[in-house]
Amino acid sequence: DTGVSQNPRHKITKRGQNVTFRCDPISEHNRLYWYRQTLGQGPEFLTYFQNEAQLEKSRLLSDRFSAERPKGSFSTLEIQRTEQGDSAMYLCASSSGTSGASSLYEQYFGPGTRLTVT
Amino acid sequence: DQQVKQNSPSLSVQEGRISILNCDYTNSMFDYFLWYKKYPAEGPTFLISISSIKDKNEDGRFTVFLNKSAKHLSLHIVPSQPGDSAVYFCAASKDTDKLIFGTGTRLQVFP
Repeated sequence: DTGVSQNPRHKITKRGQNVTFRCDPISEHNRLYWYRQTLGQGPEFLTYFQNEAQLEKSRLLSDRFSAERPKGSFSTLEIQRTEQGDSAMYLCASSSGTSGASSLYEQYFGPGTRLTVT
Repeated sequence: DQQVKQNSPSLSVQEGRISILNCDYTNSMFDYFLWYKKYPAEGPTFLISISSIKDKNEDGRFTVFLNKSAKHLSLHIVPSQPGDSAVYFCAASKDTDKLIFGTGTRLQVFP
């Protein structure tokens, strides 16, 4: 397994358009996380899945954002009616997510999708 | 409410010397702490971690120290190498939950 992959790596879109990002986690990992990072900040949590169940959503995730993980494998993050403030790096991470071992806390990140809204 | 803080935005260290990166947290419920390294235009790379039941964890040139009473952790890199130049993020977690990140410290290692 080559790690977490994200597509596309870069996306430029006009304000008001919809965009969708994809994340493929490490195959044996059952937890999948989405984060957003803006310049000068650390990654901020958006949402996460345990298998196909979405367990938590941040208040950063407005109604224009939706995430899915239909079969508990890959995940998509869609942003509707994009705004300039949505410009950021969108990061996906995965982990084993089962209690009992220290390594299970460790999240492994993909390369991110850089979104620019013009 | 910044639960994880990295108060030094940058650090410059000579090659071969020790780099010490610091991190403070406010939530005593955090039970696991991690350090990530990030190069430009890449995702964060996991570096080293420590459970709240320990006070030290070492992996090669990297050592993380945890002081629970002070709610403080630090990452020591020795000896520092030019390839260590990157942004380092401290993160904290509770019950394998989401990670809460600090704002990062940019480390520059010069020859």
